[in-house]
Amino acid sequence: DTAVSQTPKYLVTQMGNDKSIKCEQNLGHDTMYWYKQDSKKFLKIMFSYNNKELIINETVPNRFSPKSPDKAHLNLHINSLELGDSAVYFCASSQASSGRAARTQYFGPGTRLTVL
Amino acid sequence: GNSVTQMEGPVTLSEEAFLTINCTYTATGYPSLFWYVQYPGEGLQLLLKATKADDKGSNKGFEATYRKETTSFHLEKGSVQVSDSAVYFCALSANAGNMLTFGGGTRLMVKP
Repeated sequence: DTAVSQTPKYLVTQMGNDKSIKCEQNLGHDTMYWYKQDSKKFLKIMFSYNNKELIINETVPNRFSPKSPDKAHLNLHINSLELGDSAVYFCASSQASSGRAARTQYFGPGTRLTVL
Repeated sequence: GNSVTQMEGPVTLSEEAFLTINCTYTATGYPSLFWYVQYPGEGLQLLLKATKADDKGSNKGFEATYRKETTSFHLEKGSVQVSDSAVYFCALSANAGNMLTFGGGTRLMVKP
């Protein structure tokens, strides 16, 4: 069984379009995340979300927005796509942190977005 | 702010060679430290982690020790295999939201 799944695996689209990437986890976790991996493999956190709060990396443009219909899903919506948005986007999930020790995050397989 | 620096790759080794990938960090508070591995075309998998100073994380022959005095978490393996070829990421979590800060990744290539 896939723990964290993303759809689609590949997404090719034109500049200016609006697109969504879906993420689902069946681990019973209550916190989900989105990361962006650029062409040089550098990974950057975009969002952290549980049912209590959304934490946004301040460098993320407001064209990006996470939407969570329920605890098992965190979808990524991107408006007015730009060439620089081309990257691989990873969803992840974890239990909420308890105390000082961070919780392990489990990653999805990634969605490769290409903006033409 | 938080940051992670790891050695640039690629690192090319022969099978059964000893591996070290250096990782140092800067963080406020008491971070938890992680090594993730990314095989070609796949997502990230947790390799090992350590949550406090002097902890040693280990898995599949890989080890890393949380060194607070040197702010380091170097990854080691005594004898690498071709199947270990992948990109390795050092990461820390030290903030609200459990968000990970990653190093730039180190590509390991192991030749038979």
